[in-house]
Amino acid sequence: KQEVTQIPAALSVPEGENLVLNCSFTDSAIYNLQWFRQDPGKGLTSLLLIQSSQREQTSGRLNASLDKSSGRSTLYIAASQPGDSATYLCAASGYSTLTFGKGTMLLVSP
Amino acid sequence: ETGVTQTPRHLVMGMTNKKSLKCEQHLGHNAMYWYKQSAKKPLELMFVYSLEERVENNSVPSRFSPECPNSSHLFLHLHTLQPEDSALYLCASSQDPSLAGGPGWNEQFFGPGTRLTVL
Repeated sequence: KQEVTQIPAALSVPEGENLVLNCSFTDSAIYNLQWFRQDPGKGLTSLLLIQSSQREQTSGRLNASLDKSSGRSTLYIAASQPGDSATYLCAASGYSTLTFGKGTMLLVSP
Repeated sequence: ETGVTQTPRHLVMGMTNKKSLKCEQHLGHNAMYWYKQSAKKPLELMFVYSLEERVENNSVPSRFSPECPNSSHLFLHLHTLQPEDSALYLCASSQDPSLAGGPGWNEQFFGPGTRLTVL
């Protein structure tokens, strides 16, 4: 059974810092790895999807990498802003399932 | 309407009530999902409908009953729920590429969720 772990559980940084969120998964037989953002009480917004054959994906200030053999993915956020404050979730995708981690709660202070 | 919509956004019900959650996707996808998000727990997949097939998490109690009349609409029928069923229920959709892989192959798009409280 796939298990996904995210570290750290919470992170508080001042505006402008570059930061890294970590995600690990136990079963490397994945289709893809997805990163989402969730604002309090809201649904999920897809940020990046990395197919199992890819190493990384970039969107604006976000860069996600995938090392399938070691069961790890990282989300890099450059020049963080207060608007980046949210919970970030990673999810490992199998044939018909998406297994989520518990998320990293990020607070960026002005 | 664009993306994935869910109604109602908030629902309070007693344990003896019967209610339904509705989800509609406007993305032309052919797979739809129900997830449950409880406090301090990871999102949990409840049901998947893809290409007219249903996949379910065997740990989901029978008091939750999904219905998918077509590829754009998904319902979750609720009856005799328990207080521990209070949670955020999220609907999602994706494009199942069929022969190239299952519904998990492509990106999933989520609705805003229904906040359910069971008294």
